[in-house]
Amino acid sequence: DTEVTQTPKHLVMGMTNKKSLKCEQHMGHRAMYWYKQKAKKPPELMFVYSYEKLSINESVPSRFSPECPNSSLLNLHLHALQPEDSALYLCASSQEGDGRQAQYFGPGTRLLVL
Amino acid sequence: GEDVEQSLFLSVREGDSSVINCTYTDSSSTYLYWYKQEPGAGLQLLTYIFSNMDMKQDQRLTVLLNKKDKHLSLRIADTQTGDSAIYFCAESSHTGTASKLTFGTGTRLQVTL
Repeated sequence: DTEVTQTPKHLVMGMTNKKSLKCEQHMGHRAMYWYKQKAKKPPELMFVYSYEKLSINESVPSRFSPECPNSSLLNLHLHALQPEDSALYLCASSQEGDGRQAQYFGPGTRLLVL
Repeated sequence: GEDVEQSLFLSVREGDSSVINCTYTDSSSTYLYWYKQEPGAGLQLLTYIFSNMDMKQDQRLTVLLNKKDKHLSLRIADTQTGDSAIYFCAESSHTGTASKLTFGTGTRLQVTL
């Protein structure tokens, strides 16, 4: 089973709203990732958690706040977003965070900020 | 950051072979990956190759790696309409306790009847 699930599939929010994206995997993977993908562009890394600790933050604005409550769950809390933050947000996981194992992606959450 | 380049578009007829090319820049990458993305969907891992290999075959997929030229290719044999998608190559780099993938620009494969 190489399934990563993400909820919700679609999200529309205003610039003053607070919302959260959720990601879950039950493969026993110890590294989890958030990527942002704009239309017709490749995914860009936002955050990496390794063993439930934040390992990489790619200079992401503070209006995006990641959280890893346990080894199976990864959240992305959103607050005061801008219309340019509209994108597909992809979660991924890998067995370890050492680059020797493939990353498996979820289906993504398509976010629209009005 | 590293730049990973791909051609934007490839059109092939059903039943022909497709070859998608990728040029990467980070010679320290240990693994190189190919992902497929269908419209509105996430990324599906297709295959990967370790940097000390020069070829890997997996059913209809063949990956070739030329480490000297930093060139990676994906060949799809007997291309089908279901293969129509965007294909991304990606290189991994390791920083401290975590790794990151840098994706290529993506190649849109169109399969015609």
